[in-house]
Amino acid sequence: LAKTTQPISMDSYEGQEVNITCSHNNIATNDYITWYQQFPSQGPRFIIQGYKTKVTNEVASLFIPADRKSSTLSLPRVSLSDTAVYYCLVDFSGGYNKLIFGAGTRLAVHP
Amino acid sequence: GAGVSQSPRYKVAKRGQDVALRCDPISGHVSLFWYQQALGQGPEFLTYFQNEAQLDKSGLPSDRFFAERPEGSVSTLKIQRTQQEDSAVYLCASSLAQGPREQYFGPGTRLTVT
Repeated sequence: LAKTTQPISMDSYEGQEVNITCSHNNIATNDYITWYQQFPSQGPRFIIQGYKTKVTNEVASLFIPADRKSSTLSLPRVSLSDTAVYYCLVDFSGGYNKLIFGAGTRLAVHP
Repeated sequence: GAGVSQSPRYKVAKRGQDVALRCDPISGHVSLFWYQQALGQGPEFLTYFQNEAQLDKSGLPSDRFFAERPEGSVSTLKIQRTQQEDSAVYLCASSLAQGPREQYFGPGTRLTVT
């Protein structure tokens, strides 16, 4: 079964850079990689999306190596408000039932 | 601008009752997805619409679950004869293009079946 694998939890401190890696060994040629952030009692929120190499926006960077079997979400200088669950999502071509969020990574940012 | 809205935000149903959950996607968004999220878990895909066409319903857990989007905008997820295992948060998401690119999620409806 195609799926993504992420660390269950991570801890960091305010001002530090946080890198969360997701493995997706079964990624197909046409699949994109998308990261979402979710706070309690809210729906997930889109952070960043990429296909290969590096993508950067105002809140994060996404690094994708040449084989695309993994990706790393980089959050620069985290703050307390970045405490949330982060999900890596891959299209896994072949049917939308392959949209698998997994359990996500619970990031706790400490003062 | 207005985001995805869902109603009701909370629903308590007695086992065996039917419920209807509404999703108002962002205007003009072609794609609409429904997900089920159990406590402490990630969202799980239920069904996908492209405009009014339901292109994939393979994630619906049983024939008690039914979804529609008759005019290609508002969507309703209906659960008949609710069971306790149906208790979860039901999330709706929409995206501008075809497929799962950059989905915008609503706040969800928390369904509790007693």
